[in-house]
Order: sequence, then structure tokens, then C-alpha cells
Amino acid sequence: AQTVTQSQPEMSVQEAETVTLSCTYDTSESDYYLFWYKQPPSRQMILVIRQEAYKQQNATENRFSVNFQKAAKSFSLKISDSQLGDAAMYFCAYRSARSGGSNYKLTFGKGTLLTVNP
Amino acid sequence: SQTIHQWPATLVQPVGSPLSLECTVEGTSNPNLYWYRQAAGRGLQLLFYSVGIGQISSEVPQNLSASRPQDRQFILSSKKLLLSDSGFYLCAWSPGLMREKLFFGSGTQLSVL
Repeated sequence: AQTVTQSQPEMSVQEAETVTLSCTYDTSESDYYLFWYKQPPSRQMILVIRQEAYKQQNATENRFSVNFQKAAKSFSLKISDSQLGDAAMYFCAYRSARSGGSNYKLTFGKGTLLTVNP
Repeated sequence: SQTIHQWPATLVQPVGSPLSLECTVEGTSNPNLYWYRQAAGRGLQLLFYSVGIGQISSEVPQNLSASRPQDRQFILSSKKLLLSDSGFYLCAWSPGLMREKLFFGSGTQLSVL
């Protein structure tokens, strides 16, 4: 079974600075998807960024980028020019690329609470 | 565009009472539907998923059940709530052909007292 580990329960960053959130995962599969979701105080889960394991290029979405290290099974999220609105719980998640059965599900880490200081 | 509706937003129920949480998706057809639970201070745990009407798969044995009476409707139920059923429940959907993208509802905070 796949597992996702976020070793930083809490992180803080000064406004306008850069922060990196860590995520490692365990899988025996070669093709899969990785995600970062953001959960602000409203508790709405918002997809931040997605990475396909077969792509070597790291995904980027505006101020958000990932460092995907497939061999190391590491998937960190970098937030540049941090803004007050980035304060939230961030979840790393894994999904198999296989079809059928429980392969559809996302496996989540326990989350990292990010605080942005003005 | 597609939207997902989940209600109620907050629910307080006594132990032993029944439960019914409803989720509907608009603007798409044949979505995959999911119920997740988020316990306090923890990540999300998948409870049920459905790939079609009447097709329900359970991930963990528990006091809850799910049903999908219509293509875009997903219901989470319990006949008798337990204290341990308290938590934040999230409905989610993914497009049939792009299952890797998961979109969440706004959640229901359930408190069982």
C-alpha cells in the first residue's frame, strides 16, 4: 500500500519570502500522480499543483513549484513571494495511474500547517 | 462549468441518531464520486467511492454506508451514529476520463454528542 509522509507538522514564513514544504511517499509503482492541496481556514480543499510521475520536468503554477525527485520518492512544494493568503494547511497526496478498483483513491499525508507572518 | 454541492455545512447529532449527508455534482456526467473524512489534526481518509449508479466501494469497515441513487448524487448515511463518527466530511468528484483530478465540496462538520 502507498503511504505519504509530511514530516513538518507546522512551518512559518515571512511575507514575500520563500518556503519549502516537504513530502515523501512510498510506492512500488512506476506511474502515478502527485498533488499538493491547500486547505485554508474555510476548509475548502483546493488543488494547488499536480505532477505526473512519467514527466521529468517539475510542475509550476505561478508562485508554486515542485521539486520532484522520483528516485528518492520526494515531492516538495516551494512557495515563492509568500502572501498572507497562502496561510493554510497543505496536503501532499498520491494517486496510482492504474485504472480500476481502489486505484482511483488519493492517499493523503497528514498535512503541514503554514503560517505567513506579515 | 462543473460545481459540487454538499450539505449541510454543520450538523450536531446525538449518539444513536441517524445520519444523511448529501452531495450533488452539476455540469458533468458519469463522474467518480468520493466521501472522505478528516479527523481533527489528521489528513483525509477515503471512506467510499463510486464509479457509477449503484456501484459503491468501501475502503474501511465502519458504521457508515453510502449510496448513489442517481448519476450525480452521492449520499453518506448511518443508522446509528457513534461518538467516533465526529469529523469533517468531504465529498469529492473526478471526471470520468481524467480521474486524476479531484474536486472537493465545501465539507460538513459533524459533531456527535
